Amino acid sequence: AQKVTQAQTEISVVEKEDVTLDCVYETRDTTYYLFWYKQPPSGELVFLIRRNSFDEQNEISGRYSWNFQKSTSSFNFTITASQVVDSAVYFCALMRVTGGGNKLTFGTGTQLKVEL
Amino acid sequence: KAGVTQTPRYLIKTRGQQVTLSCSPISGHRSVSWYQQTPGQGLQFLFEYFSETQRNKGNFPGRFSGRQFSNSRSEMNVSTLELGDSALYLCASSGGQGVGEQYFGPGTRLTVT
Repeated sequence: AQKVTQAQTEISVVEKEDVTLDCVYETRDTTYYLFWYKQPPSGELVFLIRRNSFDEQNEISGRYSWNFQKSTSSFNFTITASQVVDSAVYFCALMRVTGGGNKLTFGTGTQLKVEL
Repeated sequence: KAGVTQTPRYLIKTRGQQVTLSCSPISGHRSVSWYQQTPGQGLQFLFEYFSETQRNKGNFPGRFSGRQFSNSRSEMNVSTLELGDSALYLCASSGGQGVGEQYFGPGTRLTVT
């Protein structure tokens, strides 16, 4: 069985602060994909990143960066210099590579509030 | 390229009725997945269709069903609605036969009274 845990239910920061969203996952598969999605108040899930389990390189995209550590089964997401527009619910998700099709197992999400 | 579209965006139904939701994937995408999002259960996978065949199914009762047409558009149906079916129903499309990035539509907000 696969499981994704996002222990932080809600985080509040002041604009320009850095913030890290934690994600821990469980799977018996050796190959899998990890995802992060952003859900603004409008409800649509916005794709942010997909990472293959074989690729442990950290990735940076603008103010966003991701730290994947297979040894600790974690895939954390950092927003540098947060902005009010970053306020949303962020979901971490896991997908099997074989035999599972396109089935995402989501964490419970972290509500990020960025205030002025 | 147009994104994933879902219709209707909002729906109010009465307990016991049935409902059909529609999803049009991104042009060229052949995989369509459906998810239910509720405050209590979070985001849960319903089923996935690829080339008109159900490829994967989540743990939902038989009242939840779906289908996919030859143009990859998909519908999901919920019969004998219950209050607990009130949720945001999200559709996601993905290209190719293997695992891919899933792009979500805006969702259909279903309220059952």
